[in-house]
Amino acid sequence: EDQVTQSPEALRLQEGESSSLNCSYTVSGLRGLFWYRQDPGKGPEFLFTLYSAGEEKEKERLKATLTKKESFLHITAPKPEDSATYLCAVLDTGRRALTFGSGTRLQVQP
Amino acid sequence: NAGVMQNPRHLVRRRGQEARLRCSPMKGHSHVYWYRQLPEEGLKFMVYLQKENIIDESGMPKERFSAEFPKEGPSILRIQQVVRGDSAAYFCASSLDRWAGELFFGEGSRLTVL
Repeated sequence: EDQVTQSPEALRLQEGESSSLNCSYTVSGLRGLFWYRQDPGKGPEFLFTLYSAGEEKEKERLKATLTKKESFLHITAPKPEDSATYLCAVLDTGRRALTFGSGTRLQVQP
Repeated sequence: NAGVMQNPRHLVRRRGQEARLRCSPMKGHSHVYWYRQLPEEGLKFMVYLQKENIIDESGMPKERFSAEFPKEGPSILRIQQVVRGDSAAYFCASSLDRWAGELFFGEGSRLTVL
């Protein structure tokens, strides 16, 4: 059974203080790994897709990387508007739908 | 270009009543997914549908829950005889292709069972 574990559960940063969020996964075969952002009371919003180990994607202050067992979401010089829950999900080659982790709640204080 | 539309946004039901949640996918999308999110937990897959077909319902509870996506009209998630444990946010997502990881989510329907 697919497993996705995210750490830490919650993270509080000062504005400008860079950090990384971790997503470790167990799948039969990886079709893709996905990062989403979810604001309170809203639906998740797609950020990145990663397909193979060594791949990296960037968007503004966010950079996602992938190894064979985990993915990292690096946040460089975060701003308060980056505060949200970040969700990691995998699509197993034997499945038709994403399996999500429980998320990391990020709070960036000014 | 409207996104995924879910209604109602909030629904209150008493134990034993029925809840019907509706989802209209993005224009041109024929793949619909329903997920449930309990407080402080991640999204749990429930069911994946294409027009008129249930493709994967492995995440659906065996009893009281059903889903459909008719040829015309929105997808509907139906919960019969609701219990307090059904209280959650129910999210619908749509995609253009199967095997899609880039899902477009609605704002969710929040069910409260009294």
